Amino acid sequence: DGGITQSPKYLFRKEGQNVTLSCEQNLNHDAMYWYRQDPGQGLRLIYYSQIVNDFQKGDIAEGYSVSREKKESFPLTVTSAQKNPTAFYLCASSRDGLTDTQYFGPGTRLTVL
Amino acid sequence: EDQVTQSPEALRLQEGESSSLNCSYTVSGLRGLFWYRQDPGKGPEFLFTLYSAGEEKEKERLKATLTKKESFLHITAPKPEDSATYLCAVMEYGNKLVFGAGTILRVKS
Repeated sequence: DGGITQSPKYLFRKEGQNVTLSCEQNLNHDAMYWYRQDPGQGLRLIYYSQIVNDFQKGDIAEGYSVSREKKESFPLTVTSAQKNPTAFYLCASSRDGLTDTQYFGPGTRLTVL
Repeated sequence: EDQVTQSPEALRLQEGESSSLNCSYTVSGLRGLFWYRQDPGKGPEFLFTLYSAGEEKEKERLKATLTKKESFLHITAPKPEDSATYLCAVMEYGNKLVFGAGTILRVKS
C-alpha cells in the first residue's frame, strides 16, 4: 500500500538535545512538508520541499532543520535552539508543488522532559 | 494576512441529529479549500477539495459546499464513528495551505 510513514510515534527529548524525526513516502510525490500542531491552533508550516535537494522555510522554521537527499525521505531535526518543541509533528506530501492535495502521515508526538 | 476561522469550536450531537460546521476565510485569491478529518493522536485524513463558489461534494454522510467567503460541512444523520476533529484549510494562488483551528465533533448514541 502506498502511504506516508513517520517514526517514531512518540519521542522524548531532554533539554539541549537535538532529535531527528523521520518521514518516508512511497507515493512518488514530488513535494513534502512538515507541520507542527499545538492544542487549539491550526497546523503551522515548518519547512517544505518541492524537489530533491531543495527546500524552503515555512512560517515557523526557527530552531528546525531539514534535508531532502532522496525523493522518498524528508527528515526533520528539532534543534536545541527550538524554545518550545513539545508538540505533535505531522509530515505530508503532495503530487506537485504547493497546489495539489496534501496527504498526511500518522504523526510523531515529541515531548521535552 | 490570510485567515481561516472555524466554528463552532466544539459541537455535541445526538446520533441522527444533522448539523453543519462552518469555515470562513479571507484570502486574496482562492486556489482551493480543503476539508480533513482528524482522529485523536492521528494524522489528518483528506475528505474534500472545493475549487469554486457553488461547488458541492459528498461522501457518505458528509457534504461540503463553498461560497465566496465560507464553506460548510453538512453532516446528515451522524453516527458515533463520525466523532473527530474536522479541519478546514485554504490555499491561495502561489501560496501555502492555511489551516483553521478545527471543530471538535462528538456524536453520542
